[in-house]
Amino acid sequence: QSVLTQPPSVSGAPGQRVTISCTGSSSNIGAGYDVHWYQQLPGTAPKLLIYGNSNRPSGVPDRFSGSKSGTSVSLAITGLQAEDEADYYCQSYDSSLSGPVVFGGGTKLTVL
Amino acid sequence: EVQLVQSGAEVKKPGESLKISCKGSGYSFPSYWIAWVRQMPGKGLEWMGIIYPGDSDTRYSPSFQGQVTISADKSISTAYLQWSSLKASDSAMYYCARHPGSYYNPVDYWGQGTLVTVSS
Repeated sequence: QSVLTQPPSVSGAPGQRVTISCTGSSSNIGAGYDVHWYQQLPGTAPKLLIYGNSNRPSGVPDRFSGSKSGTSVSLAITGLQAEDEADYYCQSYDSSLSGPVVFGGGTKLTVL
Repeated sequence: EVQLVQSGAEVKKPGESLKISCKGSGYSFPSYWIAWVRQMPGKGLEWMGIIYPGDSDTRYSPSFQGQVTISADKSISTAYLQWSSLKASDSAMYYCARHPGSYYNPVDYWGQGTLVTVSS
């Protein structure tokens, strides 16, 4: 069981908007530690998608955005495209015995 | 260009030892934390531990403490992940990953992964 909780799967049709949640606790997200998001396409290494809760590295389309509220963060993808079908992981620092760095369990995004 | 190049796939038997590597290039290797991340077949990412090659300061996730050893040789810009006695459950893809600044920061570069298969 992961310290950061993500839904196992989400889906959406091309052009739609989907969100992926990442829920933590007072030892990670709730303590103010930044959350980062990664996209993992099949058979490849993960790629940084969002850092510091809501910042996009250069080259990441603005269809991807991140937000934070309390002990949860969310990744939103608008204008869904077939190429967005991938696994998405959140990551944060954790000050408890689970840390120091923890990943969410991952969410499989299916584009219908 | 920053690159993390990992050693090739390994097939081992239970009880054997193994050391896989991750060679960094295109940046000051001693100055960036290098983490190891496990991904078991069909499963998610698990952060195993991290090393600062400059002084070999090492931290482990509690789940992996005592199960693996992380080391680095800054003279050849290489980090290592080592097992003394492999188990079938160690079969997985292993990635090395660079954390710039500190491990509070996100991974900005990943290795290509090393597939480890442990089978009798």
